[in-house]
Amino acid sequence: SAVISQKPSRDICQRGTSLTIQCQVDSQVTMMFWYRQQPGQSLTLIATANQGSEATYESGFVIDKFPISRPNLTFSTLTVSNMSPEDSSIYLCSVVLGTYGYTFGSGTRLTVV
Amino acid sequence: SQQGEEDPQALSIQEGENATMNCSYKTSINNLQWYRQNSGRGLVHLILIRSNEREKHSGRLRVTLDTSKKSSSLLITASRAADTASYFCATDHNQAGTALIFGKGTTLSVSS
Repeated sequence: SAVISQKPSRDICQRGTSLTIQCQVDSQVTMMFWYRQQPGQSLTLIATANQGSEATYESGFVIDKFPISRPNLTFSTLTVSNMSPEDSSIYLCSVVLGTYGYTFGSGTRLTVV
Repeated sequence: SQQGEEDPQALSIQEGENATMNCSYKTSINNLQWYRQNSGRGLVHLILIRSNEREKHSGRLRVTLDTSKKSSSLLITASRAADTASYFCATDHNQAGTALIFGKGTTLSVSS
């Protein structure tokens, strides 16, 4: 399975600002996935990012709020824009190698004050 | 979007007892996985069961899959205090290499 480096691991941000989260993978992968985990909740898929095309967003998530970049096969960023306290969550990236090799980043714990 | 439901949402047992968690899902799947998450920590992959498998074992874990009922169960035998965590099932969309969709999870508390 792949190894993912995700940063920052945590941040405290002022409302109205934006935070960009980075994920670096040690293998080339076609798709990268971004999740949000709100306090006490399960993981919710935000979007799927393919290299060279626009990300595909799940219902309830929009590109203006969560823009994603995927400049190459080993790297992606997720930006949380114009943050409010409701955006306080853990954000995780994930990849899959082959059919079953799913790996998750260690997560970014975001607190918006 | 959530794929399905786990039940119970919360489970409290004594050390040594067995814990059973159930997961239901909505769409056809390629595989189903179970993950554990200790409070404030990352996801730990426990076990994967493919759609053509009905039962799988790993140490004290036993997973069953019933594709006709779109459901799975995770049994932890002889529970320990260290098993205290949240447990999630996750499925794909019946297409290899797609994103996992997670259930809502079961919070297990094992007291000594």
